[in-house]
Amino acid sequence: KAGVTQTPRYLIKTRGQQVTLSCSPISGHRSVSWYQQTPGQGLQFLFEYFSETQRNKGNFPGRFSGRQFSNSRSEMNVSTLELGDSALYLCASSPHAATDEQYFGPGTRLTVT
Amino acid sequence: AQTVTQSQPEMSVQEAETVTLSCTYDTSESNYYLFWYKQPPSRQMILVIRQEAYKQQNATENRFSVNFQKAAKSFSLKISDSQLGDTAMYFCASSGNNAGNMLTFGGGTRLMVKP
Repeated sequence: KAGVTQTPRYLIKTRGQQVTLSCSPISGHRSVSWYQQTPGQGLQFLFEYFSETQRNKGNFPGRFSGRQFSNSRSEMNVSTLELGDSALYLCASSPHAATDEQYFGPGTRLTVT
Repeated sequence: AQTVTQSQPEMSVQEAETVTLSCTYDTSESNYYLFWYKQPPSRQMILVIRQEAYKQQNATENRFSVNFQKAAKSFSLKISDSQLGDTAMYFCASSGNNAGNMLTFGGGTRLMVKP
């Protein structure tokens, strides 16, 4: 099976712009979670989708949003980018609803200038 | 709410020796799961080992084993016969039964295996 894929792998945006990141989970996986990784804050949970429904949301401002499609692919959007949004964004997929092993993608490196 | 703490920001070990990474956690969940993830320089996060809190037996995966002390809320990772490929960031994480697949991560321990 193909692993979790994330596109694009690298992205440079200007402050104030918006960005959309994409994640394709492993075939058959219905849960997709998103994490932000920064040197200062470490790994922080953004949100999780299961069967197109957002089940959990981390402590991030409303500028961060996401969605999941019927084929389980997920997108996350960040509007009005700030310098502090520069980070590695990781997507993880899982076949089940809870507390299962998650398979991570390679991440999207977002740089905001 | 869950918190995970890794008190060792960096560690090093000689090839073929054994090293133990520490992790403590706190959770209000009645049932929960604990994980160790490895993130090598390539950045791909890989699951090393998984422990279900209601199981008293410590999980093992080849050279990797855990020491799970539930009362002390401690979950350490032991790597035996360390190999150069073990060089990576190691993250301890927890997940609660009522939190879906949401993982709470510790700050990580950077492990360097020296030849």
